[in-house]
Amino acid sequence: SQQGEEDPQALSIQEGENATMNCSYKTSINNLQWYRQNSGRGLVHLILIRSNEREKHSGRLRVTLDTSKKSSSLLITASRAADTASYFCATGRKETSGSRLTFGEGTQLTVNP
Amino acid sequence: DAGVIQSPRHEVTEMGQEVTLRCKPISGHNSLFWYRQTMMRGLELLIYFNNNVPIDDSGMPEDRFSAKMPNASFSTLKIQPSEPRDSAVYFCASSFRVRLGAWVNEQYFGPGTRLTVT
Repeated sequence: SQQGEEDPQALSIQEGENATMNCSYKTSINNLQWYRQNSGRGLVHLILIRSNEREKHSGRLRVTLDTSKKSSSLLITASRAADTASYFCATGRKETSGSRLTFGEGTQLTVNP
Repeated sequence: DAGVIQSPRHEVTEMGQEVTLRCKPISGHNSLFWYRQTMMRGLELLIYFNNNVPIDDSGMPEDRFSAKMPNASFSTLKIQPSEPRDSAVYFCASSFRVRLGAWVNEQYFGPGTRLTVT
């Protein structure tokens, strides 16, 4: 398995609903980040959570981190059609001082109007 | 700031030709990353630089790939000779890293170069 595996691979919801995406990883990390990628575009950083943090909020985004389970979740509340994109988690490992990130395969989110 | 700038945005070339991709990171950033994205393999880190020095090139697939960063505002990724399996979207990203061992900061991605090798 790869470091940073997202679950589910694809998610389709109605506008206004909440979307939850999960990420699991295998090695020790010093931080975990979530990125969004719209079709044909580069990745855009959404939120960073450090290994000593358990929860973080940014607007309609809520990220949790459980280092004992080596997992994270991204919650998007009150979704909008514009949230349709691929979402990736990325982990920074302690032994590399966090410089490099390992990205998962992503969750494709479709928000239907 | 204009963000990370990549050129060209699209490149179509024939097998065996040399391809050079260019990247201008965000001013003031001191780390630069080259990634390759394909449907089959996802997003792969090819190489990254700190303060213009290559730190980890273990992701560079073959000797046909080489990357340089002659100064803080410019980097190139070269493929010579190119092969059809090199077809992918290549992203450059930059970030600001305060000191060795510091928490990593978020990476800012360019729009990518879509490379097609026929």
